[in-house]
Amino acid sequence: EVQLVQSGAEVKKPGESLRISCKGSGYSFTSYWISWVRQMPGKGLEWMGRIDPSDSYTNYSPSFQGHVTISADKSISTAYLQWSSLKASDTAMYYCARSAVTTDAFDIWGQGTMVTVSS
Amino acid sequence: SYELTQPPSVSVSPGQTARITCSGDALPKQYAYWYQQKPGQAPVLVIYKDSERPSGIPERFSGSSSGTTVTLTISGVQAEDEADYYCQSADSSGTSYVVFGGGTKLTVL
Repeated sequence: EVQLVQSGAEVKKPGESLRISCKGSGYSFTSYWISWVRQMPGKGLEWMGRIDPSDSYTNYSPSFQGHVTISADKSISTAYLQWSSLKASDTAMYYCARSAVTTDAFDIWGQGTMVTVSS
Repeated sequence: SYELTQPPSVSVSPGQTARITCSGDALPKQYAYWYQQKPGQAPVLVIYKDSERPSGIPERFSGSSSGTTVTLTISGVQAEDEADYYCQSADSSGTSYVVFGGGTKLTVL
């Protein structure tokens, strides 16, 4: 079964760092891009950026460039999203999703990781 | 920055046809994709490349494109179709940034 499995919910304080993960299975991990998508409580989907796991090339939305870092370890079929200093406004559900190189269609999504930032 | 515009809400009775639009200047040059999201669940791709339907998606879901507007049509709406629907595309400036529309809440009366 093709799937993306994300790490569990996190509760952090402002200023703390965090890395969440997304592990792919059932397909060739390096043949698909992995994107990260934010959904703030009660709001819509926002594309944050993506990575090509084959060479770790990244492409960020201007809205998120410099605020987060996307990385991948192809040896363990895992992509990451990390923050160096969280803010309360980072509280959201974060999804990873895969897309083929030839299309922007997100055909497989992770189950989501809820990140709560509160003092 | 590039934007895709959707109506906030659409309401239909069971068995009727629901049409959800998405407008954007780059849509004549870029494919559109549609996702269904039910409460507490991850989004699901229901239409890709404007009008293609992934396997496992019911035939009542269809997509079309005309100029700067793409449309998701759900024929014979069922109660289970009540959800948020998002369009997605990319800008045409060469940056390949992915953009989502603001989402449309489909209510089945």
